[in-house]
Amino acid sequence: ETGVTQTPRHLVMGMTNKKSLKCEQHLGHNAMYWYKQSAKKPLELMFVYSLEERVENNSVPSRFSPECPNSSHLFLHLHTLQPEDSALYLCASSQGSQGNSPLHFGNGTRLTVT
Amino acid sequence: GENVEQHPSTLSVQEGDSAVIKCTYSDSASNYFPWYKQELGKRPQLIIDIRSNVGEKKDQRIAVTLNKTAKHFSLHITETQPEDSAVYFCAASTTGNQFYFGTGTSLTVIP
Repeated sequence: ETGVTQTPRHLVMGMTNKKSLKCEQHLGHNAMYWYKQSAKKPLELMFVYSLEERVENNSVPSRFSPECPNSSHLFLHLHTLQPEDSALYLCASSQGSQGNSPLHFGNGTRLTVT
Repeated sequence: GENVEQHPSTLSVQEGDSAVIKCTYSDSASNYFPWYKQELGKRPQLIIDIRSNVGEKKDQRIAVTLNKTAKHFSLHITETQPEDSAVYFCAASTTGNQFYFGTGTSLTVIP
Protein backbone atom coordinates (compact mmCIF):
# COMPACT_ATOMS: atom_id res chain seq x y z
CA GLU A 1 0.00 0.00 0.00
CA THR A 2 1.25 3.46 -0.85
CA GLY A 3 2.77 5.63 1.87
CA VAL A 4 1.01 8.61 0.30
CA THR A 5 -2.78 8.62 0.55
CA GLN A 6 -5.04 10.92 -1.45
CA THR A 7 -8.75 11.53 -1.07
CA PRO A 8 -11.10 11.55 -2.79
CA ARG A 9 -10.11 9.24 -5.67
CA HIS A 10 -12.69 10.81 -7.97
CA LEU A 11 -14.36 14.22 -7.87
CA VAL A 12 -16.91 15.82 -10.14
CA MET A 13 -17.63 19.47 -9.52
CA GLY A 14 -19.36 22.36 -11.18
CA MET A 15 -17.54 25.56 -12.01
CA THR A 16 -19.09 27.41 -9.09
CA ASN A 17 -18.35 24.77 -6.45
CA LYS A 18 -15.69 24.83 -3.77
CA LYS A 19 -13.95 21.57 -2.92
CA SER A 20 -10.69 20.40 -1.39
CA LEU A 21 -8.27 17.61 -2.20
CA LYS A 22 -6.45 15.96 0.67
CA CYS A 23 -3.08 14.26 0.82
CA GLU A 24 -1.40 12.51 3.73
CA GLN A 25 2.05 10.94 3.77
CA HIS A 26 3.19 8.32 6.27
CA LEU A 27 6.83 8.22 5.20
CA GLY A 28 8.33 10.85 7.48
CA HIS A 29 9.26 13.00 4.50
CA ASN A 30 9.75 16.74 4.78
CA ALA A 31 8.70 17.91 1.32
CA MET A 32 5.30 17.59 -0.35
CA TYR A 33 4.14 18.40 -3.87
CA TRP A 34 1.08 18.86 -6.03
CA TYR A 35 1.33 17.79 -9.68
CA LYS A 36 -1.24 18.00 -12.46
CA GLN A 37 -1.34 15.17 -15.01
CA SER A 38 -3.18 15.80 -18.26
CA ALA A 39 -3.29 13.59 -21.32
CA LYS A 40 -0.37 14.01 -23.73
CA LYS A 41 1.43 16.43 -21.41
CA PRO A 42 4.31 16.10 -18.98
CA LEU A 43 3.55 16.05 -15.31
CA GLU A 44 3.16 19.70 -14.35
CA LEU A 45 4.52 20.85 -11.03
CA MET A 46 2.04 23.09 -9.24
CA PHE A 47 3.30 23.61 -5.70
CA VAL A 48 6.15 22.47 -3.47
CA TYR A 49 6.25 22.65 0.31
CA SER A 50 9.48 22.00 2.16
CA LEU A 51 9.34 21.88 5.94
CA GLU A 52 5.80 23.27 5.70
CA GLU A 53 6.88 26.36 3.80
CA ARG A 54 5.84 26.91 0.23
CA VAL A 55 9.02 26.99 -1.82
CA GLU A 56 7.54 26.83 -5.30
CA ASN A 57 4.43 28.17 -6.93
CA ASN A 58 4.66 27.37 -10.59
CA SER A 59 2.47 30.18 -11.99
CA VAL A 60 -0.66 28.39 -10.93
CA PRO A 61 -3.96 30.30 -11.20
CA SER A 62 -5.33 31.59 -7.92
CA ARG A 63 -8.38 29.33 -8.22
CA PHE A 64 -6.00 26.66 -6.85
CA SER A 65 -4.98 27.33 -3.25
CA PRO A 66 -2.62 24.98 -1.40
CA GLU A 67 -2.39 24.49 2.34
CA CYS A 68 0.21 22.57 4.33
CA PRO A 69 -0.72 22.54 8.03
CA ASN A 70 2.10 20.14 8.95
CA SER A 71 4.72 17.99 7.28
CA SER A 72 2.34 15.05 6.87
CA HIS A 73 -0.67 16.77 5.35
CA LEU A 74 -1.26 18.76 2.19
CA PHE A 75 -4.48 20.19 0.81
CA LEU A 76 -5.47 21.72 -2.49
CA HIS A 77 -8.49 24.01 -2.23
CA LEU A 78 -10.42 24.47 -5.44
CA HIS A 79 -12.91 27.18 -6.38
CA THR A 80 -14.45 28.49 -9.59
CA LEU A 81 -12.56 25.99 -11.70
CA GLN A 82 -12.69 25.75 -15.47
CA PRO A 83 -13.36 22.65 -17.61
CA GLU A 84 -9.71 22.66 -18.71
CA ASP A 85 -8.75 22.04 -15.09
CA SER A 86 -10.10 18.51 -15.44
CA ALA A 87 -7.12 16.22 -14.90
CA LEU A 88 -5.49 13.77 -12.51
CA TYR A 89 -4.04 15.62 -9.52
CA LEU A 90 -1.14 13.80 -7.94
CA CYS A 91 0.34 14.44 -4.54
CA ALA A 92 3.92 13.38 -3.83
CA SER A 93 6.43 13.53 -1.02
CA SER A 94 10.20 13.27 -0.76
CA GLN A 95 12.89 13.32 1.84
CA GLY A 96 15.38 16.16 1.80
CA SER A 97 15.50 19.56 0.18
CA GLN A 98 18.22 19.01 -2.39
CA GLY A 99 16.05 17.55 -5.14
CA ASN A 100 18.03 14.33 -5.31
CA SER A 101 15.75 11.94 -3.49
CA PRO A 102 12.85 10.29 -5.29
CA LEU A 103 9.26 11.39 -5.29
CA HIS A 104 6.69 9.02 -3.82
CA PHE A 105 3.30 9.55 -5.41
CA GLY A 106 -0.21 9.00 -4.18
CA ASN A 107 -2.87 7.37 -6.37
CA GLY A 108 -4.22 10.73 -7.40
CA THR A 109 -7.60 12.41 -7.54
CA ARG A 110 -9.37 12.26 -10.90
CA LEU A 111 -11.07 15.65 -11.17
CA THR A 112 -13.82 16.44 -13.66
CA VAL A 113 -15.09 19.99 -13.91
CA THR A 114 -18.50 20.29 -15.55
CA GLY B 1 14.20 26.43 -16.59
CA GLU B 2 14.88 22.80 -17.35
CA ASN B 3 13.40 21.17 -20.46
CA VAL B 4 13.18 17.39 -20.66
CA GLU B 5 12.38 15.69 -23.95
CA GLN B 6 11.49 12.01 -24.16
CA HIS B 7 11.36 9.65 -27.14
CA PRO B 8 9.63 7.68 -28.44
CA SER B 9 6.11 8.50 -27.32
CA THR B 10 4.95 4.96 -28.09
CA LEU B 11 6.93 1.75 -28.33
CA SER B 12 5.85 -1.80 -29.14
CA VAL B 13 8.18 -4.76 -28.71
CA GLN B 14 7.82 -8.51 -28.82
CA GLU B 15 8.05 -10.32 -25.53
CA GLY B 16 11.67 -11.15 -24.80
CA ASP B 17 13.07 -8.28 -26.85
CA SER B 18 14.72 -5.18 -25.41
CA ALA B 19 13.19 -1.73 -25.09
CA VAL B 20 15.08 1.55 -25.00
CA ILE B 21 13.65 4.94 -24.05
CA LYS B 22 15.72 8.09 -24.40
CA CYS B 23 15.56 11.47 -22.70
CA THR B 24 17.49 14.69 -23.10
CA TYR B 25 17.71 17.59 -20.71
CA SER B 26 18.83 21.18 -21.05
CA ASP B 27 20.07 22.33 -17.65
CA SER B 28 23.65 21.22 -16.96
CA ALA B 29 22.97 21.74 -13.24
CA SER B 30 20.54 18.79 -13.19
CA ASN B 31 22.10 16.09 -11.09
CA TYR B 32 19.43 13.48 -10.38
CA PHE B 33 17.50 11.44 -12.95
CA PRO B 34 14.69 9.12 -11.81
CA TRP B 35 12.53 6.92 -14.01
CA TYR B 36 8.91 6.19 -13.17
CA LYS B 37 6.52 3.51 -14.38
CA GLN B 38 2.80 4.24 -14.42
CA GLU B 39 0.33 1.46 -15.08
CA LEU B 40 -3.17 2.32 -16.22
CA GLY B 41 -5.16 3.90 -13.40
CA LYS B 42 -2.27 3.73 -10.96
CA ARG B 43 0.25 6.13 -9.52
CA PRO B 44 3.74 6.64 -10.98
CA GLN B 45 6.26 4.39 -9.22
CA LEU B 46 10.02 4.79 -9.14
CA ILE B 47 11.77 1.95 -10.95
CA ILE B 48 15.36 3.17 -11.09
CA ASP B 49 17.33 6.38 -10.65
CA ILE B 50 20.82 7.65 -11.33
CA ARG B 51 22.86 10.51 -9.98
CA SER B 52 25.22 12.65 -11.98
CA ASN B 53 28.37 11.14 -10.52
CA VAL B 54 27.52 7.75 -12.07
CA GLY B 55 27.41 6.76 -15.74
CA GLU B 56 25.39 3.58 -15.52
CA LYS B 57 23.23 1.72 -13.05
CA LYS B 58 21.59 -1.69 -13.36
CA ASP B 59 18.87 -3.46 -11.42
CA GLN B 60 18.06 -6.91 -12.80
CA ARG B 61 16.42 -6.38 -16.22
CA ILE B 62 16.45 -2.59 -15.98
CA ALA B 63 19.41 -0.31 -16.58
CA VAL B 64 19.89 3.41 -16.94
CA THR B 65 22.79 5.19 -18.63
CA LEU B 66 23.73 8.84 -18.30
CA ASN B 67 25.88 10.95 -20.60
CA LYS B 68 26.41 14.27 -18.84
CA THR B 69 28.38 15.79 -21.69
CA ALA B 70 25.63 15.17 -24.19
CA LYS B 71 22.90 15.76 -21.57
CA HIS B 72 21.01 12.59 -22.27
CA PHE B 73 20.02 9.52 -20.33
CA SER B 74 18.33 6.31 -21.35
CA LEU B 75 16.29 3.48 -19.87
CA HIS B 76 17.00 -0.04 -21.04
CA ILE B 77 14.66 -2.95 -20.33
CA THR B 78 15.89 -6.38 -21.37
CA GLU B 79 13.91 -9.62 -21.77
CA THR B 80 10.66 -7.68 -21.75
CA GLN B 81 7.54 -9.25 -20.31
CA PRO B 82 3.84 -8.35 -20.78
CA GLU B 83 3.76 -6.89 -17.26
CA ASP B 84 6.33 -4.32 -18.39
CA SER B 85 3.56 -2.72 -20.46
CA ALA B 86 2.96 0.76 -18.98
CA VAL B 87 3.80 4.43 -19.45
CA TYR B 88 7.36 5.32 -18.50
CA PHE B 89 8.43 8.83 -17.48
CA CYS B 90 11.90 10.23 -17.17
CA ALA B 91 12.67 13.21 -14.98
CA ALA B 92 15.55 15.53 -14.21
CA SER B 93 16.12 17.40 -10.99
CA THR B 94 18.42 20.08 -9.72
CA THR B 95 18.69 21.15 -6.11
CA GLY B 96 15.64 22.75 -4.60
CA ASN B 97 12.98 20.06 -5.12
CA GLN B 98 12.34 20.91 -8.77
CA PHE B 99 11.54 17.81 -10.83
CA TYR B 100 10.97 18.19 -14.58
CA PHE B 101 9.27 15.30 -16.36
CA GLY B 102 9.29 14.05 -19.93
CA THR B 103 6.02 13.52 -21.78
CA GLY B 104 6.06 9.76 -21.26
CA THR B 105 6.52 6.64 -23.39
CA SER B 106 3.71 4.16 -23.72
CA LEU B 107 5.36 0.72 -23.89
CA THR B 108 3.42 -2.29 -25.13
CA VAL B 109 4.98 -5.73 -24.85
CA ILE B 110 3.32 -8.13 -27.27
CA PRO B 111 3.10 -11.72 -26.00
